[in-house]
Amino acid sequence: DIQMTQSPSSLSASVGDRVTITCRASQGISNYLAWYQQKPGKVPKLLIYAASTLQSGVPSRFSGSGSGTDFTLTISSLQPEDVATYYCQKYNSALLFTFGPGTKVDIK
Amino acid sequence: EVQLVQSGAEVKKPGESLKISCKGSGYSFTSYWIGWVRQMPGKGLEWMGIIYPGDSDTRYSPSFQGQVTISADKSISTAYLQWSSLKASDTAMYYCVRPLYGSGSYNGFDYWGQGTLVTVSS
Repeated sequence: DIQMTQSPSSLSASVGDRVTITCRASQGISNYLAWYQQKPGKVPKLLIYAASTLQSGVPSRFSGSGSGTDFTLTISSLQPEDVATYYCQKYNSALLFTFGPGTKVDIK
Repeated sequence: EVQLVQSGAEVKKPGESLKISCKGSGYSFTSYWIGWVRQMPGKGLEWMGIIYPGDSDTRYSPSFQGQVTISADKSISTAYLQWSSLKASDTAMYYCVRPLYGSGSYNGFDYWGQGTLVTVSS
């Protein structure tokens, strides 16, 4: 069973800062990785899939990279509306999905 | 417009049974998988399982296998998540989700229901 970890578990940054969140899989998952944003009290939203493909309508300040076991989500210039918890998720052709534990992002 | 509309909040006692629903519209219900995700209070997202309404092929997370049952009624474009005997630890928000299909594979969940809050308390 492939496990997903994320670091850090939380971070606080200033508006305009570059923010990077890391997700690691316990085994290689190629590029079968998605990122989600969940704002407080809201439904999660798909940001990125296939490790680096931006979902339609998502601001270009969000980007994803990585392959195999190590992945990153980057917010190039943090905005107040980006306060949220971010989750990575691995998936595969057998339609088995696993979420990471989440990273909470706040404004300093 | 694709929509997943879930049934309303439920308050139940331990040991009771429950079936919550998710109605899909705006797309061919039998051609897309529908899954369920749990979020316990203050906690992260957990994938529970998924069903293909076209033929009822169902996959479960090992963590939820035997704990819940996922089903679908394609005649009314509705998927279900049910428990036969609820526990206090089943208290959570439950979301139905539809995977995004592209480039020959499924790629995460691009559509989510609004969530159904289930509270189990004596």
